[in-house]
Amino acid sequence: SAVISQKPSRDICQRGTSLTIQCQVDSQVTMMFWYRQQPGQSLTLIATANQGSEATYESGFVIDKFPISRPNLTFSTLTVSNLSPEDSSIYLCSVEGRDRGLAGVNEQFFGPGTRLTVL
Amino acid sequence: AQSVTQPDIHITVSEGASLELRCNYSYGATPYLFWYVQSPGQGLQLLLKYFSGDTLVQGIKGFEAEFKRSQSSFNLRKPSVHWSDAAEYFCAVSTGGGNKLTFGTGTQLKVEL
Repeated sequence: SAVISQKPSRDICQRGTSLTIQCQVDSQVTMMFWYRQQPGQSLTLIATANQGSEATYESGFVIDKFPISRPNLTFSTLTVSNLSPEDSSIYLCSVEGRDRGLAGVNEQFFGPGTRLTVL
Repeated sequence: AQSVTQPDIHITVSEGASLELRCNYSYGATPYLFWYVQSPGQGLQLLLKYFSGDTLVQGIKGFEAEFKRSQSSFNLRKPSVHWSDAAEYFCAVSTGGGNKLTFGTGTQLKVEL
């Protein structure tokens, strides 16, 4: 398994501002993922971030609102821009396990999450 | 597109009782299935996974799950629940390429002492 840390663990922001969330992994990983968990909801994938290439966004998520950086194999940031109360959520990063399973599928390990509240 | 359904939003069981959390999936190809647990203020922890082979898989913390292709189900079970098992449980399916996970809506487990 991988040890994943996120900063900040929580934040309260004013609408119209931005928040950048950091995700640090204790080992090199190819793929990192960013999820959003709205209050009382399940997790929804925002984007997949590969080192050295542009992030791939899921339907309903755009780069202008959720810019992602992936400067190396152990680190990624997610910025939530132009905040509104609807952005209040927990944001989680995850990485795939080191040993790939059958058919190239592997489990994901999650960070502790960043709880964002927008006023 | 793949989807996961967890029919039970909330479940309450007494400590020591058995537990079964339901999960149904919809996916055209061979599913890769996972159960995660999220305790209050914690991230998600993987309980177990199914890729292929034996349809009964064992996980951590005494949990097991059984894959039933005919019923498109992957139900999570535990013979005797502990108070520390109170948490939210998520079933998820992987699409394979890119390891994208699609999650169910979760089941909140409450354990009565």
